[in-house]
Amino acid sequence: EIVMTQSPATLSVSPGERVTLSCRASQSVSSNLAWYQQKPGQAPRLLIYRASTKATGIPARFSASGSGTDFTLTISSLQSEDFAIYYCQQGNNWPLFTFGPGTKVDIK
Amino acid sequence: QVQLVESGGGVVQPGRSLRLSCAASGFTFSLYAMHWVRQAPGKGLEWVAVLSHDAVNKYFADSVRGRFTMSRDNSTNTVYLQMNSLRPEDTALYYCARGGKGPDWLDPQSHWGQGALVTVSS
Repeated sequence: EIVMTQSPATLSVSPGERVTLSCRASQSVSSNLAWYQQKPGQAPRLLIYRASTKATGIPARFSASGSGTDFTLTISSLQSEDFAIYYCQQGNNWPLFTFGPGTKVDIK
Repeated sequence: QVQLVESGGGVVQPGRSLRLSCAASGFTFSLYAMHWVRQAPGKGLEWVAVLSHDAVNKYFADSVRGRFTMSRDNSTNTVYLQMNSLRPEDTALYYCARGGKGPDWLDPQSHWGQGALVTVSS
């Protein structure tokens, strides 16, 4: 059974800083990896699919890379609206659509 | 624009049933797979189920298989989650989400509703 892990669990960051979040799968998921952003009281929003493709309307400061078991999401210059929880999700192995536990990005 | 509106949540006793509905608009519903994803209070996201555009293919999480079923009505642009034998651990906000189109039906969830709260408690 595949397990998704994310690090760090929490990241305290100042606006304008560059942020890198990590996601690791216990077995290869090829490029079937998505990233979501969830703000308090809101539904998740798809940021990235197929490991590195930005969803519609996602700002250029978001980028992602990786394949196999190791993935990263980078925010080049953190804006105030980016403080949120970020989840990765695999779509390759059973159990399907497994989410990672999330990384909370909060204000330093 | 894509809109997904869940309804049918509420408080239910353990062992009872509940049916959630999700009304879709703003896209050609009959071409897209649909998902249910849940989030227990203060916890992370847990995928629950997916149903293909034509209702032929479906998958369920191990935690709900055999208790939950999913169906859709492409004439009314509505997807349903029938939840039977509910347990306290099923307490969560249940999101309806749009999946992939046609053969890419297992693509990630691109659009989400605001959720319906289900509380299982005696």
